[in-house]
Amino acid sequence: GQQLNQSPQSMFIQEGEDVSMNCTSSSIFNTWLWYKQEPGEGPVLLIALYKAGELTSNGRLTAQFGITRKDSFLNISASIPSDVGIYFCAGREGNQGGKLIFGQGTELSVKP
Amino acid sequence: DTEVTQTPKHLVMGMTNKKSLKCEQHMGHRAMYWYKQKAKKPPELMFVYSYEKLSINESVPSRFSPECPNSSLLNLHLHALQPEDSALYLCASSQGQYSGNTIYFGEGSWLTVV
Repeated sequence: GQQLNQSPQSMFIQEGEDVSMNCTSSSIFNTWLWYKQEPGEGPVLLIALYKAGELTSNGRLTAQFGITRKDSFLNISASIPSDVGIYFCAGREGNQGGKLIFGQGTELSVKP
Repeated sequence: DTEVTQTPKHLVMGMTNKKSLKCEQHMGHRAMYWYKQKAKKPPELMFVYSYEKLSINESVPSRFSPECPNSSLLNLHLHALQPEDSALYLCASSQGQYSGNTIYFGEGSWLTVV
């Protein structure tokens, strides 16, 4: 099915480094959601964005809803080992029944 | 409270078995979803229920049969599954079906078909 372009696919970083990942789409979305998934668990919502241009923080995490409504980024500052996991962006469209369209995921590894 | 509860956490079933996955939420959400997820891949939508009625079926094989007994519960009945159906099955819910609503996921049910 339809997917967002999420990059990078994987990141190997040192503890304390900042992380940036982004998603782009050919479609306009009305909502952008960022999830983190750890092994054996379901996706956990990190940040929800509802308006173009919106910039929202949640602790060390910051995400923005792009002005064009076709992109979003997530930044993690001062990474720690428990940040390890797969991060998924997801966009919701206004039509097609409000389906959630997922990016392919960014797998983050943090070296202590 | 943003909790979606799924049972069982793990399920092993034979190809001739009939089993069910259960999902419950008490957030007053009126949209509930079933997703299937393979390792390290994004979740894939299977079904959407809105106000207890099936709204979207993503061409899922009939060996998967969803049921929404009431606004808090969602079941997925499984029958005559194939080994390739082994995956993490995720339930999710949101205030409403359409955009502008955040979707919350449960922890998932790991299904192994032998």
